[in-house]
Amino acid sequence: EIVLTQSPATLSLSPGERATLSCRASQSISSSLAWYQQKPGQAPRLLIFDASNSATGIPARFSGSGSGTDFTLTISSLEPEDFAVYYCQQRYNWPITFGQGTRLEIK
Amino acid sequence: EVQLVESGGGLIQPGGSLRLSCVASGFTVSSNDMNWVRQAPGKGLEWVSVIYSDGSTYYTDSVKGRFTISRDSSKNTLYLQINSLRAEDTAVYYCARSITIFGVIRNYFDSWGQGSLVTVSS
Repeated sequence: EIVLTQSPATLSLSPGERATLSCRASQSISSSLAWYQQKPGQAPRLLIFDASNSATGIPARFSGSGSGTDFTLTISSLEPEDFAVYYCQQRYNWPITFGQGTRLEIK
Repeated sequence: EVQLVESGGGLIQPGGSLRLSCVASGFTVSSNDMNWVRQAPGKGLEWVSVIYSDGSTYYTDSVKGRFTISRDSSKNTLYLQINSLRAEDTAVYYCARSITIFGVIRNYFDSWGQGSLVTVSS
């Protein structure tokens, strides 16, 4: 099973700042990685797929990069609605696995 | 508009069974790969099962032999039959559709239901 390790566990930033979230895979997964945003009481929302492609309707301030084992989700300038939990997910091997999440909180 | 609505959750005793349903609208369940993903209270996401458009099914190891994913094309509905429930199965269960990118279905999840809470407790 491929283990995804996200860091940091919690990130405290202010609106307008840049956020950088990391996801590291236990083995190479090529570009087979997605990022999701989840707010309290809501289902996750797909942000990025195939490491760097934006899902439909996702604001341009969200971007993804990386390949192999190291991936990054960047939010260029935080809006108040961006404070949430973010998960990465790989589809390279069975079973599909998720990272443990990064909580992005308001500083 | 794509919509997924789950139902069937509740409080169940250990060893019990239940069936979760996920009614889809705005697209055809049988033409897509459909998944169940669960989230234990306060925890992260765990993929549980998929049924491909061709009808083949896959499960995570911890539920093999206890969970069964299926669909009813006439009702455009996805199901998850859960047997031999354990305390560790307590979670919100989401149904989720795999994304189609340029005609190719990929195991990323672009549409989710609101979730159905299953609580296993005596």
